[in-house]
Parts: sequence; C-alpha cells; structure tokens
Amino acid sequence: DAGVTQSPTHLIKTRGQQVTLRCSPKSGHDTVSWYQQALGQGPQFIFQYYEEEERQRGNFPDRFSGHQFPNYSSELNVNALLLGDSALYLCASSLVRGSYEQYFGPGTRLTVT
Amino acid sequence: GDSVTQMEGPVTLSEEAFLTINCTYTATGYPSLFWYVQYPGEGLQLLLKATKADDKGSNKGFEATYRKETTSFHLEKGSVQVSDSAVYFCALYNNAGNMLTFGGGTRLMVKP
Repeated sequence: DAGVTQSPTHLIKTRGQQVTLRCSPKSGHDTVSWYQQALGQGPQFIFQYYEEEERQRGNFPDRFSGHQFPNYSSELNVNALLLGDSALYLCASSLVRGSYEQYFGPGTRLTVT
Repeated sequence: GDSVTQMEGPVTLSEEAFLTINCTYTATGYPSLFWYVQYPGEGLQLLLKATKADDKGSNKGFEATYRKETTSFHLEKGSVQVSDSAVYFCALYNNAGNMLTFGGGTRLMVKP
C-alpha cells in the first residue's frame, strides 16, 4: 500500500520566482493538507483541500495557493518567492471523516536564494 | 487560538534510561492529541494518539495519557534505545479548525 508521496525531493529557487510542489495521497484518502516546517520548528498549517475545494486555510499570504485534482492528488504553488519561504513542505493525507488522523509524506525541501 | 507547548531540547539520555517529554496544550472544545516522530531527513510519522480525556495512547513502548484536568499529554518510555534518537512533536487536532497544531519539537539523543 503506497503511502503519501511528494515531488520533488529538493528544490532550489531564486527570490521572485514561482514554484509548484506535488503530492499524491495515501490510497483511499480523499483529503490533503499542506504544512510548512521551517528549520528547527514545528510544522505550520497552510491549507487543506477536499473535493477540489480549499476547506480551511492557515495564516499564510495569498502567494500560497493550491489545487486538488479529481484523483485527490494536490499541488502547492508559491509565487514571488522570499528567502523566508525556505523550508520543508509537508503534505498530509486523511479521510474527511476522521481527518484528525493525518499521514505525512517525506516532504519537499525548498531553498530560496 | 489553539497552541501546544513542549519542553525544549535537546534531551540527552543513555540507553535504557527512562524518558519523559512534557507537552501541554491550550484549546477550545475537546481536541484529539498526538505524538509524531521525525527521523533525520524524513517526514513525520504518527507515533500515538488519544481522542478523549483519560485515553492512553501507546506504540513501540511509548505511552501518553490525555489529561484534561492538567491539559497535558506527556510522552514516556521506560527504556530508550539508540534507535529512538529523533525529534518528537506533540500536536492537537481541533474539529473546528480541521488542522493539526504542533509544538516546537523536542530533539532526543540516546547514547550507547
């Protein structure tokens, strides 16, 4: 049973550029959440998608946007990258009923120079 | 808003020592509580959970009890191993927010 997968593993971008990160949920899961984990800190909630709609959003600017596809996979887009966007981006999947139990992928390490 | 506070690390122990990592929370309603573990270079793995007051979560020798009266969910293990070296995160899930709120993490280092 495949778990949550994310791509790419690592990414280096320049300030002002745009980036797209991808996530495939665990088989059978229908809800995807995204988190940002800065170095040495706990993950911070960005947003959650269900039925291709943003269901909940954390305290992140509009430069952060997302999408969920009919097969439940998801993308996180970040525009106008800042140095402070350098972090590990984690995707988590769950079932909308019982979405408290979230399973995390290995993350994408984004470095902005 | 919701928040989670955990003891700062690093916590350094010798193999077979007893482990306690303190975690307290602030939340409205009745959140579910979790401990996640993160090994170097990896994502988060769910270690254990408790969904209501007085529940005890357990896994791989680790335990934590949901104490509503003290708003705590302390992680314990009777005998740690070198392989337990990792960062441990306490987290809560509040149905109103549809999201996990994490503490800052506690690094555990176990020496042979």
